Amino acid sequence: EVQLVESGGGLVQPGRSLRLSCAGSGFTFDDFAMHWVRQAPGQGLEWVSGISWNRVFIGYADSVKGRFTISRDNAKNSLYLQMNSLRAEDTAFYYCAKGSTTIRRGFIVNWGQGTLVTVSS
Amino acid sequence: DIQMTQSPSSLSAYVGDRVTITCRASQSIGTYLTWFHQKPGKAPQLLIYAASTLQSGVPSRFSGSGSGTDFTLTISSLQPEDSATYYCQQSDSTPYTFGQGTKLEIK
Repeated sequence: EVQLVESGGGLVQPGRSLRLSCAGSGFTFDDFAMHWVRQAPGQGLEWVSGISWNRVFIGYADSVKGRFTISRDNAKNSLYLQMNSLRAEDTAFYYCAKGSTTIRRGFIVNWGQGTLVTVSS
Repeated sequence: DIQMTQSPSSLSAYVGDRVTITCRASQSIGTYLTWFHQKPGKAPQLLIYAASTLQSGVPSRFSGSGSGTDFTLTISSLQPEDSATYYCQQSDSTPYTFGQGTKLEIK
């Protein structure tokens, strides 16, 4: 069974940084693209970033480009999201998601349960 | 960026009804279109990928169609457990944008 467990969320002041982690299990981690998707409370889904299995292809939403960095450690079956210069509008549940084998024109297959990031002074 | 527009934003229907949700892309995306649904307090779940391919384990009352800019998700016979918010997402080009969601309620 595919399991994706996010960690690292919490309350952070505007302008500060936070690093989210996602531990994957139940599948061959380095065979699949991975994504981060967020959802502000009571709002819709927003794709944040995605990374191919070999880190060659990386993409970001315009709203986070230059502030957030996605990375992965296939040896540790882990996905990360480094979030810098956080803003109030970054407040959301952040979901780790397993993609299909290809990130280009692939799709999201499985989702974690999410971790809440609150940006507030 | 490609904009995804769903309609309606919300709808209410009876058990047994046939329900259709539409998703329109601001430019052609081929068949790189995925449908999810999300129940309150839960993570989204994959229903359909590549516009019309049913994900394993998803009931056959769900179906998808379309290509280019216009897509539909159809539930052939609505069940109580289908009450959820439905989202489309394009993966033709980054950023992989979602529609704004369609909230489906059971009367």
